[in-house]
Amino acid sequence: GAVVSQHPSRVICKSGTSVKIECRSLDFQATTMFWYRQFPKQSLMLMATSNEGSKATYEQGVEKDKFLINHASLTLSTLTVTSAHPEDSSFYICSASASGGVGASTDTQYFGPGTRLTVL
Amino acid sequence: RKEVEQDPGPFNVPEGATVAFNCTYSNSASQSFFWYRQDCRKEPKLLMSVYSSGNEDGRFTAQLNRASQYISLLIRDSKLSDSATYLCVVWVGTASKLTFGTGTRLQVTL
Repeated sequence: GAVVSQHPSRVICKSGTSVKIECRSLDFQATTMFWYRQFPKQSLMLMATSNEGSKATYEQGVEKDKFLINHASLTLSTLTVTSAHPEDSSFYICSASASGGVGASTDTQYFGPGTRLTVL
Repeated sequence: RKEVEQDPGPFNVPEGATVAFNCTYSNSASQSFFWYRQDCRKEPKLLMSVYSSGNEDGRFTAQLNRASQYISLLIRDSKLSDSATYLCVVWVGTASKLTFGTGTRLQVTL
C-alpha cells in the first residue's frame, strides 16, 4: 500500500512556541491531505482538509490562524501549531488521498504514523 | 448525539472466542463504511470496508444495515494479536470527510 510519513514523530515544546509538522506521501501524489487530532480516549477529529495549491478548509471550531496548513506540493503538507499551549497537546495525524475524495466515496486515505505533541 | 457511536468496551475475551462489535451512525447521507484498527499510540489502519450485502475477510465479517443505520464487525477465533481498538468509520460524501467513532477496545487473553 501507499506510504505516508510524518515528521517529527514526537515533539515536546514550551508554551508559546510554534511547532511545524510535516506530512509526506512517499510513493504517490496526494491531491488531498487531511489533518486530524486525537485526544486520549477520544476519536479522531478532522481538523482540516487541504488540496494542493489552494487554501485549506477548516472544520467548525478549528482556528485557522492557530493551525496553519500549507499544501505546497502534491507530496507535502505542513501543519504549524502557532503559539502552542498545553491544551494543544495531542496526537496529530495526517492522511493523504490520491484522488481527492470528493464524490469518490471509496477513495482510500492513507494515514501517517502520527505526531505526538506535548506542550509544557 | 455523536455522528458515529460505539460501545467503548473494553471487551475482554479469551483466545479463540468470537466477539461482535456494533456501531450506529446518525447521518443518513453516509455513503461508505469502514472498520479501522488502531493499536495503542499508533495511527489507524484500514481493516475492511463494509458493504450492504455483508462481506468477509478471513476471520472478520462485517455487516451493514442502512435502514437501521447500523454496522457490525464479527471476529471469529480471536487471536492475541487482535487486541486493539476497533474504529467504526463513515464517509459522508456531501461533506467529503471520514467521521470516526471513539472505538471499541478489545483485549484478547490467554
